[in-house]
Amino acid sequence: EDQVTQSPEALRLQEGESSSLNCSYTVSGLRGLFWYRQDPGKGPEFLFTLYSAGEEKEKERLKATLTKKESFLHITAPKPEDSATYLCAVLITGANSKLTFGKGITLSVRP
Amino acid sequence: NAGVTQTPKFRILKIGQSMTLQCTQDMNHNYMYWYRQDPGMGLKLIYYSVGAGITDKGEVPNGYNVSRSTTEDFPLRLELAAPSQTSVYFCASSPGTGVQPQHFGDGTRLSIL
Repeated sequence: EDQVTQSPEALRLQEGESSSLNCSYTVSGLRGLFWYRQDPGKGPEFLFTLYSAGEEKEKERLKATLTKKESFLHITAPKPEDSATYLCAVLITGANSKLTFGKGITLSVRP
Repeated sequence: NAGVTQTPKFRILKIGQSMTLQCTQDMNHNYMYWYRQDPGMGLKLIYYSVGAGITDKGEVPNGYNVSRSTTEDFPLRLELAAPSQTSVYFCASSPGTGVQPQHFGDGTRLSIL
């Protein structure tokens, strides 16, 4: 069965304290892995798509990486405005654009 | 620059009532989706559509119906509302070609009492 697992469930950081969020997946065939950010009371906002192992993408303080089993979202020197829930989702071969989502990681950054 | 628009934002229903959640997108996307999000459970796909007149079931379709008469609109119908349908509902759209990200609306928060 195709599965996406995100860890930890919640993470509390001090402003400036770098860390990583993990998304591990067990799927029959990966077409793409997506990272989204979700603020309270809002819909998910697209951050990155990764297609193949070894690929990396960056945006401001965020850097996403991909291996054959997992993806990491690295947050460098986070600020309070980075506080949000981060969702990982995979597009599986043959899934006709249907995404399988993880449960999300709630990040809190204290000033 | 509206993107995906959902209405209403909030709604309280009584058990057994019916309602339609509205979703419209202005990006000319072929694919549209309905998800529900429950605390600690992640997003679950209810129904999706690959174009006007074409719909298919997702992971959790029971108790819901959809239609797609235009490219822009994809309403979700709840018949005989039950407490288990209390959730936050998100609509999304994507171009549908290649590995393209889905774009989400801001959700409808539905409580059934």
